[in-house]
Amino acid sequence: SYVLAQAPSVSVAPGQTARMTCGGDNIGGKAVHWYQQKPGQAPVLVVYDDSDRPSGIPERFSGSNSGNTATLTINRVEAGDEADYYCQVWDSSSDHWVFGGGTKLTVL
Amino acid sequence: EVQLVESGGGLVQPGGSLRLSCTASGFTFSSYEMNWVRQAPGKGLEWVSHISNSGSTLYYADSLKGRFTISRDNAKNSLYLQMNSLRAEDTAVYYCVRGHGSSWYVFDHWGQGTLVTVSS
Repeated sequence: SYVLAQAPSVSVAPGQTARMTCGGDNIGGKAVHWYQQKPGQAPVLVVYDDSDRPSGIPERFSGSNSGNTATLTINRVEAGDEADYYCQVWDSSSDHWVFGGGTKLTVL
Repeated sequence: EVQLVESGGGLVQPGGSLRLSCTASGFTFSSYEMNWVRQAPGKGLEWVSHISNSGSTLYYADSLKGRFTISRDNAKNSLYLQMNSLRAEDTAVYYCVRGHGSSWYVFDHWGQGTLVTVSS
């Protein structure tokens, strides 16, 4: 089955740029989606189809995908961005949805 | 406003059964693919099951080994998850999740979740 790998944690100071990666075999050939989950809350979609943003998501959130790595970038990080971030793909070979293990973003 | 409200969670003994429900509002339920996703305490997200808008196509995570059944009633704007032969490892918050229209493989709206605890 397809596997997505995410670093457990990333720390960044307010106003700086946070980059979180999601690794998978030829992930560049798949559409990657990113979800933000704050403590005690349901996940929220922040980026889909590699780099599209749903309405209401700030332009500070962006995504890219190439080769074996997809990246979620948050510019000008704010304290309110502190959360767990999950990448996800749909694996057409198995008709299964796969999540990465999640990255905890800490704003210093 | 899209709303997804789960119900039916609770405490159940190992080997028992439980039926989760999700009531949808704020959109044309019959036009959207739906999913269940779960999250064990302190753990990450795990996709559980998917159902097409008509209910004709069903997918399940391999870890379920045939114990769970997803269904929907479009006339009642409701999604269901029948869970049988429950195990301790099924303990989790279960989220009802909508597929994103034409990008049906994207999860664009999530309910607040319902907690299922499997314990004696």
